[in-house]
Amino acid sequence: DGGITQSPKYLFRKEGQNVTLSCEQNLNHDAMYWYRQDPGQGLRLIYYSQIVNDFQKGDIAEGYSVSREKKESFPLTVTSAQKNPTAFYLCASKGFGAGAREKLFFGSGTQLSVL
Amino acid sequence: DQQVKQNSPSLSVQEGRISILNCDYTNSMFDYFLWYKKYPAEGPTFLISISSIKDKNEDGRFTVFLNKSAKHLSLHIVPSQPGDSAVYFCAASSRGGTSYGKLTFGQGTILTVHP
Repeated sequence: DGGITQSPKYLFRKEGQNVTLSCEQNLNHDAMYWYRQDPGQGLRLIYYSQIVNDFQKGDIAEGYSVSREKKESFPLTVTSAQKNPTAFYLCASKGFGAGAREKLFFGSGTQLSVL
Repeated sequence: DQQVKQNSPSLSVQEGRISILNCDYTNSMFDYFLWYKKYPAEGPTFLISISSIKDKNEDGRFTVFLNKSAKHLSLHIVPSQPGDSAVYFCAASSRGGTSYGKLTFGQGTILTVHP
């Protein structure tokens, strides 16, 4: 089955520690996205990538970093510079074409908490 | 600045009745709107969308209405079922420029359908 896999489902971060969230898709989609969800707020865009080896900052990129070395993979690193990392992180992907516009496919998310 | 707003945090409806979820937007460049449904600890799933060239789109029990002059859209679910209980997110996008392919989400509305 095609889909998006995020791991781990739960992650704990210590003070000063960098952590990396994994996102893999086998949908052959070119574009991939990282969103953050906080209680009572909508999903906010962290980073996105339209093609391999290229990515753009979203609305709340500070304290995060990404890479896009393979089409299937778009890992997100939450660095120690992110002072409020506790949130539910969602990875998404999207194909191109007339029928694909903005119809994002989401993974099941990673809940990150600070110890 | 919240460009997409869902002013009702929650909505409670009896099974079989109509559910109406509302969404307002401020950015006149938005030309494509989507509704996503989300269960706890899962990623959102695409529900229905509408282009700004239309004022209505229907898919089974779900209908989305768009009022461009009022910058308002609504999702109607008829008849409502207990399995519809979830968080519903409104999202919007615009073509071209630096915002292409990005979605702006509302805060979400928690729908509870009582048997």
